[in-house]
Amino acid sequence: GAGVSQTPSNKVTEKGKYVELRCDPISGHTALYWYRQSLGQGPEFLIYFQGTGAADDSGLPNDRFFAVRPEGSVSTLKIQRTERGDSAVYLCASSRGPSGDYEQYFGPGTRLTVT
Amino acid sequence: KQEVTQIPAALSVPEGENLVLNCSFTDSAIYNLQWFRQDPGKGLTSLLLIQSSQREQTSGRLNASLDKSSGRSTLYIAASQPGDSATYLCAVNTNAGKSTFGDGTTLTVKP
Repeated sequence: GAGVSQTPSNKVTEKGKYVELRCDPISGHTALYWYRQSLGQGPEFLIYFQGTGAADDSGLPNDRFFAVRPEGSVSTLKIQRTERGDSAVYLCASSRGPSGDYEQYFGPGTRLTVT
Repeated sequence: KQEVTQIPAALSVPEGENLVLNCSFTDSAIYNLQWFRQDPGKGLTSLLLIQSSQREQTSGRLNASLDKSSGRSTLYIAASQPGDSATYLCAVNTNAGKSTFGDGTTLTVKP
């Protein structure tokens, strides 16, 4: 079956603009995660959804970042008033249940560049 | 706060060699540990998942071990091949949905 997909694959935006990044998880996976990865570093946890609700959003760096998953499938990560420091690869992952019990499967990522 | 360290940061070996990658973590109260592979410019591919109650997992030429009490995991790759060249990341899960990653070991296998 299809894996995790993310759109767009690349996004270039100007400082101060608003962006939305989309994640389509594997069908039937109830858990969904967002991470961001800077060059040469491992992914950094942002937020975890179980179903429609954010079960853990402790990794969101500030209130400019927000994520939704209204129907328990597709998720959108929203970044307001983008800053150059937001430039990174944003990775989405999904699993059959919480990652404490199940493997995470990752999408190819969205490379965000803020100019 | 969980911290995950991977040593070495980079490793270069000749084809055919057996090798070990290391992952250490500071908080032993984990649910599981997962090893991933990442090719340049790509997402992560899951290799092995070890639950906290397990000591090791094997898949083909890969063997991962877990010693929770000492906060260590190793990934053993047998008979390395040039196609194994990639960055290897370990991730530790210390609550139901949050994983902490190391910064990875970049492996180069020379033909």
